[in-house]
Order: sequence, then structure tokens, then C-alpha cells
Amino acid sequence: DTGVSQDPRHKITKRGQNVTFRCDPISEHNRLYWYRQTLGQGPEFLTYFQNEAQLEKSRLLSDRFSAERPKGSFSTLEIQRTEQGDSAMYLCASSLGTEGQAYFGPGTRLTVT
Amino acid sequence: EDQVTQSPEALRLQEGESSSLNCSYTVSGLRGLFWYRQDPGKGPEFLFTLYSAGEEKEKERLKATLTKKESFLHITAPKPEDSATYLCAVQAGGGSYIPTFGRGTSLIVHP
Repeated sequence: DTGVSQDPRHKITKRGQNVTFRCDPISEHNRLYWYRQTLGQGPEFLTYFQNEAQLEKSRLLSDRFSAERPKGSFSTLEIQRTEQGDSAMYLCASSLGTEGQAYFGPGTRLTVT
Repeated sequence: EDQVTQSPEALRLQEGESSSLNCSYTVSGLRGLFWYRQDPGKGPEFLFTLYSAGEEKEKERLKATLTKKESFLHITAPKPEDSATYLCAVQAGGGSYIPTFGRGTSLIVHP
């Protein structure tokens, strides 16, 4: 059972720098989600992919954020010109189509100083 | 817009003291309701999926139930290792089927 993996697990960066996170979903899952979670809050939806197509982005998602899923496999989430407000846990999840539950990875903890 | 409200925000129990967590939801056509457990600094771990009112699922000391407006997570005779944040999420039928999460209930079980 390989599960969902994310890399890196922790990232500390200075304000204004760009960062990129990677997510490897469960191999047979065609849906991939990105969520953001801050302390004391539930996961907040950012964007999702069905295979390689990015089908929806949250209205809260700044233009500084971009995500890709080339060939419908792994996905990357890039944040440009990071701000202190970007500090959060970034969670990736995958599911098999629209049916059933999403399985989460361990998350990437981003700290912007 | 789908809404999920969890209560209480925090709950402290003594070991063996049973209780329930609540998840109230507003969604246009429920496709599924999910319960997750999240330990500090980790990603949510899937527990249960409920699809229709009256459905129940059990796993060890946990039992999830569903009505047309809310879901309960019953914890029977909890142990300290049950301490975690419990998250509820709903998936609406139609549209994009994106799970919407509540803020969670932080459970601490004292020995």
C-alpha cells in the first residue's frame, strides 16, 4: 500500500521566494485535490484535477498559486512571491472518480518568514 | 453553498467516558458524508463514509450515524489513543463533487 505521498514534508522560506510542492497520488486514482489547512481550521479546498485536467479552482486561490498534473500522474503546486499569510499545511488527496472518500497525504508544512 | 458545522469545537473526556461528536450539514443533495481522524502535524486519516439517512458504520470504539441534517460520531469507552481532531466532510451530488470540510472537533481523552 503506497498511499499518497508529498514532498517536502516541511519547507521554510523567506517572503518573496517561490516554492514548489509535489504530490504523488494513489496510482489508480484519477482525481487529485489540493487543500490548505491552518491551525484550528478544517482543510480548505484550493483546486482539483480529473486526470490531467484542472477542472476547478477556489475563488480564494490567488494568482500567485498554480498547479499542474502532467500526464495525470503526480501533481505540483507552486506558490510565487510567497507571503507570510501563505504559511499553512498544504494537503494533497486523491480519490477514484467521484465515488467515495478521498485519501490524504501527510501534508507539506510551509513556513514563510 | 455547502456548509458543515461541527460541535463541540473541543471535548475533554476521561478514559472510559462515552460521548458523541456532532456534524450538521447543509448541502443540495448529499452524495456522501465522510469522517476523518487527524493527528497533530499529519494528514487526515479516513474513517467512514455514510451515504443515506439511517446508515451506521462502526470501527472499534467508533460508530458513525447519519440523519437528513446531521451525523454523529459516537465514541464508546474512549482511550487516550483516541485523542485527535475528528473532521467531517460532505460531498454534494451534482456539480464537481468536491468534499467540503468542517473545522473539526478536538478530542482529548485523559487517562
